[in-house]
Amino acid sequence: AQTVTQSQPEMSVQEAETVTLSCTYDTSESNYYLFWYKQPPSRQMILVIRQEAYKQQNATENRFSVNFQKAAKSFSLKISDSQLGDTAMYFCAFMKYSGGSNYKLTFGKGTLLTVNP
Amino acid sequence: DAGITQSPRHKVTETGTPVTLRCHQTENHRYMYWYRQDPGHGLRLIHYSYGVKDTDKGEVSDGYSVSRSKTEDFLLTLESATSSQTSVYFCAISGGNANTGELFFGEGSRLTVL
Repeated sequence: AQTVTQSQPEMSVQEAETVTLSCTYDTSESNYYLFWYKQPPSRQMILVIRQEAYKQQNATENRFSVNFQKAAKSFSLKISDSQLGDTAMYFCAFMKYSGGSNYKLTFGKGTLLTVNP
Repeated sequence: DAGITQSPRHKVTETGTPVTLRCHQTENHRYMYWYRQDPGHGLRLIHYSYGVKDTDKGEVSDGYSVSRSKTEDFLLTLESATSSQTSVYFCAISGGNANTGELFFGEGSRLTVL
């Protein structure tokens, strides 16, 4: 079974600064996907960024980027120029790639990020 | 926003009573999921469905059952609610495209079992 570990239960950052959220995972799979999801105080979960394990290039989405280290099984999220609207719970998630019916995500416990003015 | 509706959004019930949560989607997505969210545990998969009448267990399925009689509806039933099932329940859907893997979530249903 896959496990996802987020070692930082809470973090804070000043507005406009950069913050990095950590995530490690354990799997014996070679093909998989990794995700960061964001859950603002309104509670609806949304996808922030996605990384395919077979791609060496780190994914980026505007101010959000990842540092994917496959050998180390590490998948950190960097938020640049933090904004007040980035305040949320962030979840790292893993999905192994397999055909058929097995599209299940395993989530970490989350990191609560607070952006301070 | 993905068309996902959960009902009820809030429910308070007593131990031993049956409870059914409903997830309704208008996206015609194949995959549907039920997760529960608890402090310190993140999101844990209860059950999921990969088609009409096709369901499977997740990591915390004990005490829960599901049904999917049509593509758009996925029901989660607690046959006899217990206080340990007090939680926020999220439904999610996915098109099952292995190239994306993205889940779209509902707004959650907060269940309190007294």
